[in-house]
Amino acid sequence: QVQLVESGGGVVQPGRSLRLSCAASGFTFSSYAIHWVRQAPGKGLEWVALISYAGTTKYNIDSVKGRFTISRDNSKDTMSLQMNSLRAEDTAVYYCARDSYSGSYFGYFDYWGQGTLVTVSS
Amino acid sequence: SYELTQPLSVSVALGQTATITCRGDNIGSKNVHWYQQKPGQAPVLVIYTNNNRPSGIPERFSGSNSGNTATLTISRAEAGDEADYSCQVWDSSSVIFGGGTKLTVL
Repeated sequence: QVQLVESGGGVVQPGRSLRLSCAASGFTFSSYAIHWVRQAPGKGLEWVALISYAGTTKYNIDSVKGRFTISRDNSKDTMSLQMNSLRAEDTAVYYCARDSYSGSYFGYFDYWGQGTLVTVSS
Repeated sequence: SYELTQPLSVSVALGQTATITCRGDNIGSKNVHWYQQKPGQAPVLVIYTNNNRPSGIPERFSGSNSGNTATLTISRAEAGDEADYSCQVWDSSSVIFGGGTKLTVL
């Protein structure tokens, strides 16, 4: 069965860095784009970033541009989100989610991980 | 930037029909997807591409999309339907979520 498992969350001081990972299983990882979606405490879902199936296309929201970098290793069925210069407003549960469209993106999120909590606080 | 507007909360009596709206400029020209999220859990897809149900989602869940409003309808509401519901679209190269609606089953 399809599984996505996030790791790497924790408590970090403002301005510091954290690296989240998403390990995939149960499907051909190299055929699917993967997204990061976050949810601040008590708030709604916010899309953060996308990496295409081959890793050649990346999109993200303006508020993380220049600070967050998304990458993937198709040989290991994993993808990562390197988060630098963290701010209090980055505090959230971070989910990785699979895009439904094999070989493309612009789809819906058919599988989600359980999420990992990132807390940015001094 | 594109915005999606959902009511903060909707209440429905047990066994009745709940309607959750998602409003956006000409949203009828976009594909709308809906997610259900219960406390402490990851979101679950309940409707994709306006009106399609994934495997395992009850027929009680349906969707529509036209003009400036997309709608998620839950018929014969059950206690287990109580959750947050969020709509989602693509706008250019970005994913947009609505703010979410908390459904309460009375």
